[in-house]
Amino acid sequence: GIQVEQSPPDLILQEGANSTLRCNFSDSVNNLQWFHQNPWGQLINLFYIPSGTKQNGRLSATTVATERYSLLYISSSQTTDSGVYFCAVGFGTYKYIFGTGTRLKVLA
Amino acid sequence: KAGVTQTPRYLIKTRGQQVTLSCSPISGHRSVSWYQQTPGQGLQFLFEYFSETQRNKGNFPGRFSGRQFSNSRSEMNVSTLELGDSALYLCASSLDGLGPYNEQFFGPGTRLTVL
Repeated sequence: GIQVEQSPPDLILQEGANSTLRCNFSDSVNNLQWFHQNPWGQLINLFYIPSGTKQNGRLSATTVATERYSLLYISSSQTTDSGVYFCAVGFGTYKYIFGTGTRLKVLA
Repeated sequence: KAGVTQTPRYLIKTRGQQVTLSCSPISGHRSVSWYQQTPGQGLQFLFEYFSETQRNKGNFPGRFSGRQFSNSRSEMNVSTLELGDSALYLCASSLDGLGPYNEQFFGPGTRLTVL
């Protein structure tokens, strides 16, 4: 079946550090999003990025669809960045799969 | 524009009971999809509805069902609850579905506990 794997599974950073989260997928995609899940469970949209590069403040993302991966960059991390980061990909018309998640903890 | 809303936010049921969860999509969105999140299995796709029709279903037993109304609001129902059904249930809405050019927007979720 289609696999969506994220790495690393867990990450601990000091405030101010930079990090790169990776999402690998096993098939070509037509839809890719990055989410941040807050402690209450809400999935917050970060990027809709099936291809190319986008930036939003301290966050940026790049998807290289031909090589089947996407990267999320967090610069100058803050304690409020803590939580779980998910990528989710769409295949075909009606298939949507979440990655395994990266749990990030930023220490003050 | 109001976001995706889900009711109730928290629910406690006992084994064998049934439960109905509700999701109201963003105005103008016609697709609603449902997901189950558990610590062991992660986020798993349940089903997707578009214009009152179920277009795709994940690998869940028939106890999990859903429907969509003409105003795009959706409900999901779980019958004969089991302890393993305890989870966070999330719904998402989008303009036209899960395919290209469709960004998904998620509601706050319903946390179901089965005792």
